[in-house]
Amino acid sequence: EIVLTQSPATLSLPPGERATLSCRASQSVSSYLAWYQQKPGQAPRLLIYDASDRATGIPARFSGSGSGTDFTLTISSLEPEDFAVYYCHHGNNWRNTFGQGTKLEIK
Amino acid sequence: QVQLQESGPGLVKPSETLSLTCTVSGDSISRGYYWGWIRQPPGKGLEWIGSMYHSGSTYYNPSLKSRVSMSIDTSKNQFSLKLSSVTAADTAVFYCARVGVVSRYMDVWGKGTTVTVSS
Repeated sequence: EIVLTQSPATLSLPPGERATLSCRASQSVSSYLAWYQQKPGQAPRLLIYDASDRATGIPARFSGSGSGTDFTLTISSLEPEDFAVYYCHHGNNWRNTFGQGTKLEIK
Repeated sequence: QVQLQESGPGLVKPSETLSLTCTVSGDSISRGYYWGWIRQPPGKGLEWIGSMYHSGSTYYNPSLKSRVSMSIDTSKNQFSLKLSSVTAADTAVFYCARVGVVSRYMDVWGKGTTVTVSS
């Protein structure tokens, strides 16, 4: 079973700052990693797939990088609407697993 | 624009079977994606339940496999979930989603439906 570990659990930053969120896999997942954003009371929204491809309609300030076991989601300059919980996800070969989430909060 | 909508009872008794349906609009369920269910207990993270293809192929979370069944009705553009022998630990928001063919990411989600297991 592949385990995805996200860090930090909580990240406190002011608007305008750069945010860097990490996701580490217990074994290589190649580039089969996605990132989702979830706001309170809403369904998750796909941001990044295949480690670095932005989903349709996602602003350019969101970017993903990494391969193998270490992945990063970067938000270049935080907007007020970016404060939410972020999950990483791996689903290739039906070994679906989500990270435990990183809560991005306003400082 | 593809939209998904979950429906089903919001309250299920312990030991009974939870049944939910997801209606797909704006696209054919037979077009070539997988379709899946994900749940989120109150205040917790996301858990994949299972996914299926319009041909009938199914893939389930090993931890739930003994209690899960999914089916698809292409004539109604719907797919369904059954989870048997539920307990309070199954209380969650249940989401249906469209699942990519290769990387298995979920690119379209329903709004979610809350199911509470209680007598």
